[in-house]
Amino acid sequence: NAGVTQTPKFQVLKTGQSMTLQCAQDMNHEYMSWYRQDPGMGLRLIHYSVGAGITDQGEVPNGYNVSRSTTEDFPLRLLSAAPSQTSVYFCASSYSHNTEAFFGQGTRLTVV
Amino acid sequence: AQKVTQAQTEISVVEKEDVTLDCVYETRDTTYYLFWYKQPPSGELVFLIRRNSFDEQNEISGRYSWNFQKSTSSFNFTITASQVVDSAVYFCARAAPNRDDKIIFGKGTRLHILP
Repeated sequence: NAGVTQTPKFQVLKTGQSMTLQCAQDMNHEYMSWYRQDPGMGLRLIHYSVGAGITDQGEVPNGYNVSRSTTEDFPLRLLSAAPSQTSVYFCASSYSHNTEAFFGQGTRLTVV
Repeated sequence: AQKVTQAQTEISVVEKEDVTLDCVYETRDTTYYLFWYKQPPSGELVFLIRRNSFDEQNEISGRYSWNFQKSTSSFNFTITASQVVDSAVYFCARAAPNRDDKIIFGKGTRLHILP
């Protein structure tokens, strides 16, 4: 029972590099989301999706892109990494936006 | 934006003491949903409870209890007879009925249970 699988767990990038954080869920959830967690800031929503082909911006979307081509996958792309994007990233999925969310293990990203 | 406020940034209590974590939310909606999540030192986020705005009954689950009061827009979380394993960051969150409304998390309360 995999739940939400998020990769990689750790990543170090140089400023200006691009990368994709992967997120996959096997619970057939429609709602998926990406958060970043910074000290003292709690969880802030980056982007979310209410179903395949539908995405929308959250609270802090700048510098990130997402797509949702399948129900299972919701990758997060950093096009040109900046030190301000150093954070812990969590992917989550849920049956609906107002039901229990299942979180991935998190990705600790450092941009130098 | 409709905020969720967890005014207590960090709390320390001695094991076996009771502790209450506060959560105050803002909402313009009649229907809404409130959550608590736990993040232990290992880092994962674990769901604890979900309440909808029409159910004001207090909930108890073992040593955990939740007090939902619409009159004060609060959804407080109490741990009775705390244990070291309760040490974690606890997040309160609110969701609205419209799926296009964003889920809002509080900034979290870091709880230290001292042996």
